[in-house]
Order: sequence, then C-alpha cells, then structure tokens
Amino acid sequence: NAGVMQNPRHLVRRRGQEARLRCSPMKGHSHVYWYRQLPEEGLKFMVYLQKENIIDESGMPKERFSAEFPKEGPSILRIQQVVRGDSAAYFCASLDSGRSTDTQYFGPGTRLTVL
Amino acid sequence: SQQGEEDPQALSIQEGENATMNCSYKTSINNLQWYRQNSGRGLVHLILIRSNEREKHSGRLRVTLDTSKKSSSLLITASRAADTASYFCATDSSNTGKLIFGQGTTLQVKP
Repeated sequence: NAGVMQNPRHLVRRRGQEARLRCSPMKGHSHVYWYRQLPEEGLKFMVYLQKENIIDESGMPKERFSAEFPKEGPSILRIQQVVRGDSAAYFCASLDSGRSTDTQYFGPGTRLTVL
Repeated sequence: SQQGEEDPQALSIQEGENATMNCSYKTSINNLQWYRQNSGRGLVHLILIRSNEREKHSGRLRVTLDTSKKSSSLLITASRAADTASYFCATDSSNTGKLIFGQGTTLQVKP
C-alpha cells in the first residue's frame, strides 16, 4: 500500500517560469491538502481539495497559484511566473473521509528552488 | 497570528534522557497532532489527541492536552540519537481537517 507520492522531489526553476507539483494521494483517499514550508519554519496550509472540487483555498496566494484535483490523476499545484520567494518545500497530505478526527498522511515533499 | 507555538525552539540532551516539548494554541480545537520531521525530509505522524482526551501514550511517547490552558506537551522518554529531528504540533480547529502548525522544536540527542 503505497503512501502519498509527490513528484518531482526537487525542482529548479528560473524566475518567471512555471512550476508544476504533483501529488498522488494514498489509495482510496479522496481528500488532498497542500502545505508550504519556508526554511526554518513550520508548515502553512494552502488549499484543501476533494475530487474535482476546491473546498478551502484560504491559504493560497491570490495571484499566480492554482490547484486542482481532477477525477482521474494526481492533484496538481501550479505556480506561474515563479519568484525567489516561492522557494520552499511543498507538501501534500491526504486522508480518507475528511473527518477532522482522521490522520493526515504526508508525502515526502517537493523542494522548489527558484534561481 | 500563529495558532500553535512551541517551546523550546531548540533542545539538546544526552541519549537516555527524557525530552519534553510544549505547544500552546489560541482557539478551540477538534484535535491536536504531533509530527516529526527529519532534516530535509517529509513529516511522520506521531500521535493524535482529541479535544476530549487528556493523555495519550504510544511507545516512548506521551502526549498531554490541557484545553483549559490551551496547551499540549510531548514527552519522549529514554531518548535515542535517532530521535534527533524537528517536532511540530498541529491543531485542527475547522470542520475541513486543515491543520495549523507550530514553528517546531528542534531536538538534538547526543550519543
């Protein structure tokens, strides 16, 4: 039973390019959360998605960032026109039912470096 | 403002000693969770304690929750060098399961 998968594990982009981060939740999980971790800090919530729906995007910057979780395939976090301040580790987590009493399982993260 | 705040920020102990980390939060919660993160790696879930629970054990881990003081503590007994990592508390205050993380405590266990 594979855990949460994220790819790529490391991503280097130049300023102005686009970054696409992928997250495949655990088998059977239909709820995905994205978090961002800046160096030496804790994780900050970005967005919560269910299949084909964005449920809570209160932590997502209004510009340049978007997320989706299609009916088939992984969840995608997309950052357009990246800037140096986007350099961070991006983690996704999944859970089965969306109940707040359930444990979220985290992926290994994608470390984005913007040159 | 930060929901979860942890102290100490850094802790250095000898192998075999106990390590205690504290977490305070501001709003009412559904549950509080502790995670471990090794340097440059992902998060490993350690333990979840619900708002109606006061204490929970898992192996060498003991977590307490005091909702009147809005605080939690994580105790690692008989620490090992392999326990060296950053430890984060995370609170769930919503009905969507989103977690609010503290800044973390960096634990170093010297062999």
